[in-house]
Amino acid sequence: AQSVTQPDIHITVSEGASLELRCNYSYGATPYLFWYVQSPGQGLQLLLKYFSGDTLVQGIKGFEAEFKRSQSSFNLRKPSVHWSDAAEYFCAVGSNNAGNNRKLIWGLGTSLAVNP
Amino acid sequence: NAGVTQTPKFQVLKTGQSMTLQCAQDMNHNSMYWYRQDPGMGLRLIYYSASEGTTDKGEVPNGYNVSRLNKREFSLRLESAAPSQTSVYFCASSERGWGYTFGSGTRLTVV
Repeated sequence: AQSVTQPDIHITVSEGASLELRCNYSYGATPYLFWYVQSPGQGLQLLLKYFSGDTLVQGIKGFEAEFKRSQSSFNLRKPSVHWSDAAEYFCAVGSNNAGNNRKLIWGLGTSLAVNP
Repeated sequence: NAGVTQTPKFQVLKTGQSMTLQCAQDMNHNSMYWYRQDPGMGLRLIYYSASEGTTDKGEVPNGYNVSRLNKREFSLRLESAAPSQTSVYFCASSERGWGYTFGSGTRLTVV
């Protein structure tokens, strides 16, 4: 079955520390992979996406993610976290064979808290 | 600013009442979606519209109906609201690039 797992429900880091949020997927086709961020009371915003090519992708707000096919993972990283990064982070996967059907499969999210 | 606009932002309904959540996008996207978000359950797809004139059920369509009024607008209707439909509802749209654009959400409480 197709699925996305974010193993960490909640993570707390200190401001200035590095961050890695984990995402593992199970998907039959070649996946398209995404990370979204949701600030409190807001909608979701696309951080970055991977379709093909270089497995290390850069996104907005200083985030990057690395696609590792052998591990079925797409982990999100940031070298130095800022207090404003406190939010909910969602990993999602879609199919490159979808045609017009661009449904995504979503992880349950990781809540990030940042200590001053 | 270009984006997805949802109305209303907040709503309280009594059990059995009906209402329509409105969604409009101005990015000329073909695909539109309605999700609900509940604590610990992530985002669940209610209905989607791959293109103007088509709609399809998602994971949790029971109790809801949708209308793709035109390319810009995609509405979600609750015919007889139930407490289980208390949730935050998000509309989103997407185009070939797959980047979903989300609205800011409607917080619905059914009492």
